[in-house]
Amino acid sequence: DQQVKQNSPSLSVQEGRISILNCDYTNSMFDYFLWYKKYPAEGPTFLISISSIKDKNEDGRFTVFLNKSAKHLSLHIVPSQPGDSAVYFCAASEEMRFGAGTRLTVKP
Amino acid sequence: DGGITQSPKYLFRKEGQNVTLSCEQNLNHDAMYWYRQDPGQGLRLIYYSQIVNDFQKGDIAEGYSVSREKKESFPLTVTSAQKNPTAFYLCASSMSKQANQPQHFGDGTRLSIL
Repeated sequence: DQQVKQNSPSLSVQEGRISILNCDYTNSMFDYFLWYKKYPAEGPTFLISISSIKDKNEDGRFTVFLNKSAKHLSLHIVPSQPGDSAVYFCAASEEMRFGAGTRLTVKP
Repeated sequence: DGGITQSPKYLFRKEGQNVTLSCEQNLNHDAMYWYRQDPGQGLRLIYYSQIVNDFQKGDIAEGYSVSREKKESFPLTVTSAQKNPTAFYLCASSMSKQANQPQHFGDGTRLSIL
């Protein structure tokens, strides 16, 4: 039973454009979310987080939006760079529930 | 450099054999975790430990065992009772299990059955 879902296994965007990665969850009790980035042959690394008391958190080129009523969060990367090419996981933090990941490819 | 180290990177197991995956951290973190990743699936929690000499089962603990005798170390044993052990295993640590503490991951161990 996947409580955190990333329905797009892959996404391809042009360098300089916006990348939008989506994540849905089923449990309304989840109240803290994190995004991780994973390069091949490496472990995931923490990217950005958001608490349910906020609807937006921004860190440089990365912004996470949370829509609690829709149980949906999204990660925006603007502008996208080739070095952003990686697999991105969303996670419900305290419950340690991870999505399956979205592979982002940014083309030069 | 502070970090979390998993070894070996690749591991092969014969049928009926137990194998142990190593996980060491020098981040002085209290909490440690083991996850399993299968193709097309998210990370699934096997076991976690919030403090030395204490650990809790995750969603898929059957066929696995752990110990936490030292703060720095959280080895995972894949026993012969685990019928489908072929997977990518990730170890992680965090300062605590609180929601706002991101996890730091090792680079993983890929386990295959001979």
